Amino acid sequence: DSGVTQTPKHLITATGQRVTLRCSPRSGDLSVYWYQQSLDQGLQFLIHYYNGEERAKGNILERFSAQQFPDLHSELNLSSLELGDSALYFCASSVGQRGGSPLHFGNGTRLTVT
Amino acid sequence: DQQVKQNSPSLSVQEGRISILNCDYTNSMFDYFLWYKKYPAEGPTFLISISSIKDKNEDGRFTVFLNKSAKHLSLHIVPSQPGDSAVYFCAALSENNDMRFGAGTRLTVKP
Repeated sequence: DSGVTQTPKHLITATGQRVTLRCSPRSGDLSVYWYQQSLDQGLQFLIHYYNGEERAKGNILERFSAQQFPDLHSELNLSSLELGDSALYFCASSVGQRGGSPLHFGNGTRLTVT
Repeated sequence: DQQVKQNSPSLSVQEGRISILNCDYTNSMFDYFLWYKKYPAEGPTFLISISSIKDKNEDGRFTVFLNKSAKHLSLHIVPSQPGDSAVYFCAALSENNDMRFGAGTRLTVKP
């Protein structure tokens, strides 16, 4: 158990819809990262928050947004969903700002867009 | 763009032998490298890391080698055990906190 909680585990929705993925980081971790893993793809970095502030952006589409709340949990919002958005979305947390401190991953949210 | 590449999607080795997983990167700004292991239905877990100021880091059965001039790193597992069967991701981190992952290599260790 990594201590990182992601909900929901599975999400099935239709194209054009909007969904929210939630992440509770490990206790004491201030950094939250979001990653997307599509079939046969590596983990694609989406966005990093540290203590409520955005720190780095990766390959995140404009239709996607995220935030980290004062209690350090984070939400990833995906809107105008397309079939290609179907993927596993992982949240990870770490103690520091720098990704070099090992990341602790949640078990992911599997999103299926039909 | 694939800044971190794991060119072997899969690798199969016999129990007790050495497993060597390879990773290449293109961005010379990466200065820290990590390996993660992932079992089905679980998130990746941290395995071992290496800073660019080193060329080797060892932790039990796991050793990571870094060749900066070749922009290449490898993970050695000796001896391999069936429980090591998993997908292994290589990750590279730059100073501006940009971390990129490879596509992963599925290791199967046969008893």
